[in-house]
Amino acid sequence: QKEVEQNSGPLSVPEGAIASLNCTYSDRGSQSFFWYRQYSGKSPELIMFIYSNGDKEDGRFTAQLNKASQYVSLLIRDSQPSDSATYLCAPSSGYSTLTFGKGTMLLVSP
Amino acid sequence: KAGVTQTPRYLIKTRGQQVTLSCSPISGHRSVSWYQQTPGQGLQFLFEYFSETQRNKGNFPGRFSGRQFSNSRSEMNVSTLELGDSALYLCASSLLGQGGEQYFGPGTRLTVT
Repeated sequence: QKEVEQNSGPLSVPEGAIASLNCTYSDRGSQSFFWYRQYSGKSPELIMFIYSNGDKEDGRFTAQLNKASQYVSLLIRDSQPSDSATYLCAPSSGYSTLTFGKGTMLLVSP
Repeated sequence: KAGVTQTPRYLIKTRGQQVTLSCSPISGHRSVSWYQQTPGQGLQFLFEYFSETQRNKGNFPGRFSGRQFSNSRSEMNVSTLELGDSALYLCASSLLGQGGEQYFGPGTRLTVT
């Protein structure tokens, strides 16, 4: 049984701060890692993916992967109220479908 | 390029009825996956279709079924609806599936009364 663990939150940060969202996974065969953002009442939107250990940066977003620790995180720098959403982590082994965590709710206060 | 479309967007049905939901993937994408999302359970995988064949299936009862057509459009059917089937049903398309990046449609909100 593949498991993906995320703190449900809410994670509350003030505007301009760094938000750190974490995800652990059980499947050691996971090779690709996807982060989705889901606004309330909307469908998930792909925002980042990472394949290699280390960091991957895209604008204000940085994904960090540590396969040995089975841990992937998403950092959001200079958080904005528009970043308030639920963030879903989805590891993939490349052989079957994505397994989604239940997500972490992020609240950015102005 | 047009995104994933789903119809209808909202649906209200009565317990015991059946329902069919439709999904049109991004042009060129051959994999379509279906998910059920509820507040308590999060995103739960229903099934994945690739080139008209069901390639993966989640842990849902046989009342949930699907199919994919030659143009990659997909439908899912739920028979004998139960109150617990009330959820947001999401379809996601992927170029090849197999754990690759997926793009979600807007979803169908199903309410069973």
